[in-house]
Amino acid sequence: DGGITQSPKYLFRKEGQNVTLSCEQNLNHDAMYWYRQDPGQGLRLIYYSQIVNDFQKGDIAEGYSVSREKKESFPLTVTSAQKNPTAFYLCASSSPGQLYGYTFGSGTRLTVV
Amino acid sequence: QKEVEQNSGPLSVPEGAIASLNCTYSDRGSQSFFWYRQYSGKSPELIMSIYSNGDKEDGRFTAQLNKASQYVSLLIRDSQPSDSATYLCAARYNQGGKLIFGQGTELSVKP
Repeated sequence: DGGITQSPKYLFRKEGQNVTLSCEQNLNHDAMYWYRQDPGQGLRLIYYSQIVNDFQKGDIAEGYSVSREKKESFPLTVTSAQKNPTAFYLCASSSPGQLYGYTFGSGTRLTVV
Repeated sequence: QKEVEQNSGPLSVPEGAIASLNCTYSDRGSQSFFWYRQYSGKSPELIMSIYSNGDKEDGRFTAQLNKASQYVSLLIRDSQPSDSATYLCAARYNQGGKLIFGQGTELSVKP
């Protein structure tokens, strides 16, 4: 079954700690995206990548970092510089072309403890 | 700044009624539009896409696009309590471009 997998489903971070959220897809999609969603709010773009070894900042990239070493994988690191990281993180992928929307992973809920 | 606007709701309709969800977009260059449904605590799932002016029907769902008015809508016929969710409208500006999402409209279908 083709799909996009995010792990872990729940993650707890201590103050001053870096954590990495995993996103893997087997849909052969070129583009991948990371969004953050806060309660009752819409999706805010953190980073996106349209090809391997290249990525661009979204609207709220500060305190986050990404890599795209393989087409299938686009991990997101939430660094200690991100002061309010508690949120629902969504990874998505898509094929190029106007006909295609995104396929989303099931999300990772990050909580600062 | 490319924007997509939706009423946040909540929109409440009785079971069996037609739910009408609306969305406007600011960029005339937007070429394709998508409706996602998001249940509480879950990730969004794609339910409809539309690229041409007019109506597109899929089961109980009809998407409507009016490029002259920069307006997209989603009609849900015979609404069911299981349709209660937040509906996200998204616009894609150009080929390969990222989607711009609205804030979402919360729909509540009362039995």
